[in-house]
This record gives sequence, structure tokens and C-alpha cells, in this order.
Amino acid sequence: NAGVTQTPKFQVLKTGQSMTLQCAQDMNHEYMSWYRQDPGMGLRLIHYSVGAGITDQGEVPNGYNVSRSTTEDFPLRLLSAAPSQTSVYFCASSYTSGRAYEQYFGPGTRLTVT
Amino acid sequence: GENVEQHPSTLSVQEGDSAVIKCTYSDSASNYFPWYKQELGKRPQLIIDIRSNVGEKKDQRIAVTLNKTAKHFSLHITETQPEDSAVYFCAAASYYGGATNKLIFGTGTLLAVQP
Repeated sequence: NAGVTQTPKFQVLKTGQSMTLQCAQDMNHEYMSWYRQDPGMGLRLIHYSVGAGITDQGEVPNGYNVSRSTTEDFPLRLLSAAPSQTSVYFCASSYTSGRAYEQYFGPGTRLTVT
Repeated sequence: GENVEQHPSTLSVQEGDSAVIKCTYSDSASNYFPWYKQELGKRPQLIIDIRSNVGEKKDQRIAVTLNKTAKHFSLHITETQPEDSAVYFCAAASYYGGATNKLIFGTGTLLAVQP
């Protein structure tokens, strides 16, 4: 199993540009989520999904969109990039069935917005 | 919503000493408390977790304690080694009918183990 994969690993955008961060998992996990990590602020939840066709907002959803058309994929879209969105983005996935399970993280995408 | 506070933000210990990291949470419905370790430039990885029906859990040199009344939980690392140097995150989640796995993280503790 590849686990959780993310592309790209690095990205530089100009203010106002849009892009999609890709996330995929091959573990048949129902739950998928996106976090951003900034120095001194830990991991903050952006959006999450409990299954195909179901998404919800986390702690810091503004400026980001998500969709979940398949169990495997959970892309994160930046509609109009801003310097405040410079961060490291992690995707994570887990089982959910009736109890808490370990979340597996992808390798991360380092995004710089100039 | 849930809020998780973590202390200290940095911790320096001598090799062989113990390290303790503490977290508090706000939502009394939270019932799952994992701890993640993140080495420099790497992804976070689960090292231990505890559920609300258990007060303490141990795995070799790592232990976690939970006080539901006070709404705090702690990570204890004994006989620290240089390879324990990393950032440690606590997190909390609540489950209603098992429908979500929504983790809220603390702000992290940078642990430095001096040889």
C-alpha cells in the first residue's frame, strides 16, 4: 500500500492564482481531512469528509474548497491564493466505523504564496 | 467547539531524564486523545493514544494519563534518548455515533534531548 499520497511536494503561487492540492489514499478509509501547519500554531483543521459526497468545515475553512467524489481522493482547492495561505498542508485519513482510529498523514505540501 | 491547550512549548532535558508534556481540553464530550510525534521535515505519526474509559496507558518508555474530571491529559517519556527529539502534538476528538474522526490539535511541544 502507498498509504496517503500528496502532490505536489512544493508549490509557489502568485497572489490571486488558483490551484488544487491533491490527496489520495489506498486504505479504503472513510474519513479524510486537510490540515495546515504554521509555526507555533500546530495543526489546524481546514475541511474534512466522512465519506464520498460528504464534506464539512473545520477550524479554518475560509479561502479553501473541497469535494469528495470517490473514497480514495480528497482534493483541496485554493480559489484565489493569498500570502496568508503560505503554509505546509497535510492530508490525513482513517477508518471511522463506530470508534476512534489512528489518522495516517501524507508527506505534506509546502506552499508559498508571493 | 473543542479547544486544546498544550504546555510547555519547548522542553529541554538531559539524556536519560524524563519528559512530561501536558494538555487540557474544553469539550467534556471528547473521548479520544492521541499523541503524535513529528520529526523535522516529516509527517506527524501516532505514538500512543488513550480513550476516555481508560485512565492510563503505557507502551515501553511512553505513557499517557487522562483525568476526565479535570479535562487534562499528559504524555510521559522516561529514559529519554536523542532520537526522542522532535515536536510532539496532543489532540482531542469526540464521537457521536462514530460518525466522525475530527481531531483538534494542541500547538505542539519542541522536545530537545541533550546527549
